[in-house]
Amino acid sequence: NAGVTQTPKFRILKIGQSMTLQCTQDMNHNYMYWYRQDPGMGLKLIYYSVGAGITDKGEVPNGYNVSRSTTEDFPLRLELAAPSQTSVYFCASSLSAGQYGSSWYFGPGTRLTVT
Amino acid sequence: KQEVTQIPAALSVPEGENLVLNCSFTDSAIYNLQWFRQDPGKGLTSLLLIQSSQREQTSGRLNASLDKSSGRSTLYIAASQPGDSATYLCAVKRADRGSTLGRLYFGRGTQLTVWP
Repeated sequence: NAGVTQTPKFRILKIGQSMTLQCTQDMNHNYMYWYRQDPGMGLKLIYYSVGAGITDKGEVPNGYNVSRSTTEDFPLRLELAAPSQTSVYFCASSLSAGQYGSSWYFGPGTRLTVT
Repeated sequence: KQEVTQIPAALSVPEGENLVLNCSFTDSAIYNLQWFRQDPGKGLTSLLLIQSSQREQTSGRLNASLDKSSGRSTLYIAASQPGDSATYLCAVKRADRGSTLGRLYFGRGTQLTVWP
């Protein structure tokens, strides 16, 4: 299994541009998540999905959108990029999310700079 | 709101030392707690997962304990090696009010350096 893969690894955007961060997992996990990690800070949840066609907001959703058309893919869309969105973005997946949950698996991250 | 704190923020030790990383959380109504390792410029790798009903988990030289009532967990690394150098993150999983869906709340991590 490749696990959780993310593309691109690095990206520089100009203010106001848009882009999509790709995330794919091959473990048949229903639950997928997008986190951002700012320097010296913990990870903050942006959006999550409990299955194809179902998504919901996390702690910091403003400026982002997601879709989940398949179990495998969970792209994150940035519209009108702002410097505050400079961060490292991690996609994660898990088999279950309830009380008796399993381990979470993270992708390698996308390092985004908005100038 | 769940707050997760990790102490110390950074730790530098010589090779061979046994060491303890600390994690505390404010709300004891958690599903489980997970320790991750993050290498520079890389993603997170899960090290140990402790369910709320468990007291500890072990994997090789790593041992993690959980005291849910006091809101604390420790990660014990025995006989540290330079290859252990990384940032160690603690995350607790709990459901938000009105939901059964658990989400992870992360600490800021402990940056560990083990020198030869």
